[in-house]
Amino acid sequence: NAGVTQTPKFRILKIGQSMTLQCAQDMNHNYMYWYRQDPGMGLKLIYYSVGAGITDKGEVPNGYNVSRSTTEDFPLRLELAAPSQTSVYFCASSYPSGNGELFFGEGSRLTVL
Amino acid sequence: DAKTTQPPSMDCAEGRAANLPCNHSTISGNEYVYWYRQIHSQGPQYIIHGLKNNETNEMASLIITEDRKSSTLILPHATLRDTAVYYCTPLKKVDMLTFGGGTRLMVKP
Repeated sequence: NAGVTQTPKFRILKIGQSMTLQCAQDMNHNYMYWYRQDPGMGLKLIYYSVGAGITDKGEVPNGYNVSRSTTEDFPLRLELAAPSQTSVYFCASSYPSGNGELFFGEGSRLTVL
Repeated sequence: DAKTTQPPSMDCAEGRAANLPCNHSTISGNEYVYWYRQIHSQGPQYIIHGLKNNETNEMASLIITEDRKSSTLILPHATLRDTAVYYCTPLKKVDMLTFGGGTRLMVKP
């Protein structure tokens, strides 16, 4: 199993551009999450999904959109990128009835200039 | 939701036990205590969790006080590869796991 795969690993955007961060998992997990981590800080939950077709906001959803059309994929869309969205983005997945163990991807480092 | 307080940094000698404290005085009765760690810039890694009883697995031990207001993560024989940021986080629902500042553990030779 590859686990949780994120692409791209690095990206530089100009202010106002849009892009999609991709996340895929091959563990048949129902739950998927997007977090962001600013330098020297902890992780903040952006959006999460409990299954295909179901998404919900986390702590910091403004400026982002998500969709969940399949169990495997959970893309994060950034519209009108702003410097405040410069961060490392982590995708994670878990079983719904599991022990709360989240499996994280390696992260996508985004810089908005 | 419960808030947690952890020391920002700690040092530990290689081979010695690392004891990482966490205060969660406002934790509610049905909130578990979870510990994760983040090595360098990688994604966080699950370590252990508990509700009331002490827990042990191949990575660490978790000691929760009887009043559940604090807990301690113990790495029995710290190695250089245990250098990481350790997060203590309460969890009521798995879909709202959040991470605070954590403790930066430095294991020194």
